Amino acid sequence: LAKTTQPISMDSYEGQEVNITCSHNNIATNDYITWYQQFPSQGPRFIIQGYKTKVTNEVASLFIPADRKSSTLSLPRVSLSDTAVYYCLVGDMRGYGGSQGNLIFGKGTKLSVKP
Amino acid sequence: DGGITQSPKYLFRKEGQNVTLSCEQNLNHDAMYWYRQDPGQGLRLIYYSQIVNDFQKGDIAEGYSVSREKKESFPLTVTSAQKNPTAFYLCASSIVGVGGQETYGYTFGSGTRLTVV
Repeated sequence: LAKTTQPISMDSYEGQEVNITCSHNNIATNDYITWYQQFPSQGPRFIIQGYKTKVTNEVASLFIPADRKSSTLSLPRVSLSDTAVYYCLVGDMRGYGGSQGNLIFGKGTKLSVKP
Repeated sequence: DGGITQSPKYLFRKEGQNVTLSCEQNLNHDAMYWYRQDPGQGLRLIYYSQIVNDFQKGDIAEGYSVSREKKESFPLTVTSAQKNPTAFYLCASSIVGVGGQETYGYTFGSGTRLTVV
């Protein structure tokens, strides 16, 4: 199982770029890297997903080096509303052979954005 | 709008009673999941199901039961055997192995907060 390691917490100020790095040294060939955002008392929300190199959408960018043993979620110009817990998830999200049941949500990174 | 609905949002249960949490999705997703979240903790998998009438235990299945009689529905019963049931329960769904998708991932419901009184 691809275990992930990410910082427990991070602080930032409004308008800054925030980079959250996730380590996943034993990532497998079929594994994707997916990031979720969770606000208190709500379900996690999908942010971005990638397999290799760089992925960008309207919310964030995901940088994945060639060896895929880590990944970095980049949030440009954060605002107070970006204060949340961010989870890095690594696994075969396609679900073959019940692989989705093996995905592990760690404790995530609690991002606090200050004015 | 397609989505996943959990009900109720808040639930109170007396010790020794069973209680059932509802989860319905209209996304035509094959797989559904139940997670438990305790304060300051990550999500822990209780049960998951990839097809109707079939489900597998997750990491913390003891004291819980599920059924999957319809593709759209995956109710979770918290039984009296669950020693510490007070928690935030999240239901999720996902597609399974469909080619050509841009991304694969979970869609979560808004959760049910269960409190034992």
